Amino acid sequence: NAGVTQTPKFQVLKTGQSMTLQCAQDMNHNSMYWYRQDPGMGLRLIYYSASEGTTDKGEVPNGYNVSRLNKREFSLRLESAAPSQTSVYFCASSAARGAGELFFGEGSRLTVL
Amino acid sequence: GQQLNQSPQSMFIQEGEDVSMNCTSSSIFNTWLWYKQDPGEGPVLLIALYKAGELTSNGRLTAQFGITRKDSFLNISASIPSDVGIYFCAGLIYGNKLVFGAGTILRVKS
Repeated sequence: NAGVTQTPKFQVLKTGQSMTLQCAQDMNHNSMYWYRQDPGMGLRLIYYSASEGTTDKGEVPNGYNVSRLNKREFSLRLESAAPSQTSVYFCASSAARGAGELFFGEGSRLTVL
Repeated sequence: GQQLNQSPQSMFIQEGEDVSMNCTSSSIFNTWLWYKQDPGEGPVLLIALYKAGELTSNGRLTAQFGITRKDSFLNISASIPSDVGIYFCAGLIYGNKLVFGAGTILRVKS
């Protein structure tokens, strides 16, 4: 069972470059999320999508955009990458908004030089 | 915003020892959850708690939802080497906002 799949797993960017992180889930979940993980800071929510066609800002949305392409896919875009966006990014999904029971992907490690 | 204070930040375990960690907040949460993250992987849900005072077990893991709804505890009994990793508490507030603690790193004593 694939669960939540993220691509790419690793990426190195130069400051100012753009890129998109892709996420797909095969569990027919309604809600999807993007988190970033930094040492000593736990997981911080960037954006979430409660259902297909809706997106909302989380705790740290600045510098990011998202697209809920369909029920399965939720992408995260960095339009102009900055060194402060060096992090590990996790996509997650849940059956219902507010359930708290999230299924995470394996993560995408991004380095911005 | 809401913050979760998770302690300890890190700890060393010896096989067979019992382990305890906790999470506290100044805010009230409706649900408490505990996740574990292995190196190079995403977090995986261990236990979810839905009612104040609830005590729930999952194998060697036991977690409690504090009576005040502002804290939660996780205990691991008779630890084994595969218990190493990062443990995160998370609290759900207002039905849609999940806040994570900074994590407790479990390492093996050498």
